[in-house]
Amino acid sequence: GQNIDQPTEMTATEGAIVQINCTYQTSGFNGLFWYQQHAGEAPTFLSYNVLDGLEEKGRFSSFLSRSKGYSYLLLKELQMKDSASYLCAVRGFTSGYALNFGKGTSLLVTP
Amino acid sequence: NAGVMQNPRHLVRRRGQEARLRCSPMKGHSHVYWYRQLPEEGLKFMVYLQKENIIDESGMPKERFSAEFPKEGPSILRIQQVVRGDSAAYFCASSPPRTSGSKSYEQYFGPGTRLTVT
Repeated sequence: GQNIDQPTEMTATEGAIVQINCTYQTSGFNGLFWYQQHAGEAPTFLSYNVLDGLEEKGRFSSFLSRSKGYSYLLLKELQMKDSASYLCAVRGFTSGYALNFGKGTSLLVTP
Repeated sequence: NAGVMQNPRHLVRRRGQEARLRCSPMKGHSHVYWYRQLPEEGLKFMVYLQKENIIDESGMPKERFSAEFPKEGPSILRIQQVVRGDSAAYFCASSPPRTSGSKSYEQYFGPGTRLTVT
C-alpha cells in the first residue's frame, strides 16, 4: 500500500517563496506528481519526478529524494492566484499507473 | 484539442435512485481512470479502464458501483440505489497510451461531477 503525508494548510505572502513538503511510503514507486486544484475545479498537472533531484518549470520547482521518500514543491514569486490546494500523488506499478493522492495542502496567499 | 469532458457537472439524486456519470477522454487517450473526492479527503482511485475492458477496479465499492468504457461513446460510472454517503465529487482522468512516447503519462483530469444525494 501507499501512505502519503503533506501539511493540511499553509499561508504565505504575495511575492514570497513557499515550500510544500510531501512524504510517502510505498511498496512500489513509479513517479511522483504534483497537481494544483482550485476550489470546485479539476486538478491540473504541475510537475513530475521519477529520478532524484530538482525539476524546474518557471516559478514552480519540484524535488524528489527516493531514498528518503520525500518530495517538495517550491513556488516562487507568489501571486494571489496561487491560492489553491496542492496535491502530492505517487504512482505505483499496479492499477495501470493509477495515482495515489495525499489529502492536499491548502495554500492561502495573502497581500 | 478539447480536454477531458464530464457531464453532468452537478447531479442531484434522492436516496435509492440511480446516478450515471459520463466521461469523454482527451482525443488520442485510451486510458480512463475514475476517482472520488469526499469532502476534506484526498482523491481516491476507483477504477481503471481501457476501451471495452475493465483493467483494475480494486478501488471500487463491491456493491452498487459499476463502470464501463464501450467501443463507441463515453465512459460511464454508474451508481445504483444511491445513499447519502455517495455524495462527493467524481473525477475522470485520461492518459495517453504507453506507446505514445510520453515521459510521464500524466493524467489529465476533467472538471468533475458533483453528486448530491438528498
